[in-house]
Amino acid sequence: AQSVTQLDSHVSVSEGTPVLLRCNYSSSYSPSLFWYVQHPNKGLQLLLKYTSAATLVKGINGFEAEFKKSETSFHLTKPSAHMSDAAEYFCVVSNDYKLSFGAGTTVTVRA
Amino acid sequence: DVKVTQSSRYLVKRTGEKVFLECVQDMDHENMFWYRQDPGLGLRLIYFSYDVKMKEKGDIPEGYSVSREKKERFSLILESASTNQTSMYLCASSLNADTQYFGPGTRLTVL
Repeated sequence: AQSVTQLDSHVSVSEGTPVLLRCNYSSSYSPSLFWYVQHPNKGLQLLLKYTSAATLVKGINGFEAEFKKSETSFHLTKPSAHMSDAAEYFCVVSNDYKLSFGAGTTVTVRA
Repeated sequence: DVKVTQSSRYLVKRTGEKVFLECVQDMDHENMFWYRQDPGLGLRLIYFSYDVKMKEKGDIPEGYSVSREKKERFSLILESASTNQTSMYLCASSLNADTQYFGPGTRLTVL
């Protein structure tokens, strides 16, 4: 069995300040982990993925995530938020074909 | 770039109607998926298909069926729509047990 917990349903940051979105997972096997972003009225776009290579994964738009097996975490960060980062973010764990999604974190960016 | 298209962005149907949601991908992917997305619940897998004419139940298949007659097309069918099927429906495809690429979604309202 596998599952994902996103620890914050909503995060609000000021433009230019760091963003941290927290994700914990559980999995019986060595998982693949993903972060997807969904802008309003759009489909999901892949931000980055971890597949047992480097534990620090760099993605698009300046985002990165660190896989910590001991903490079963895969937190997403960005050093400086931009207005265009306002969206919903999903942490996802994959074993074989099956994806399990977290409930999502909505990010608001204040000017 | 992978392109996944869905036949409608918005759809309004009445209770008891038969509803077809169509999804087409242009990258010759083996695997296709149907999810529904509801606030606070993330995405939940309804059905997936790993080959033409093959299908597997996901986590919430009740009230839905699917059809995959051609590799590029995966249809979701609501035999008799009910109000609790009002939701956002997302289609995805993948080449292997890895990254899934999503369509823009269909927002279905059942009155």
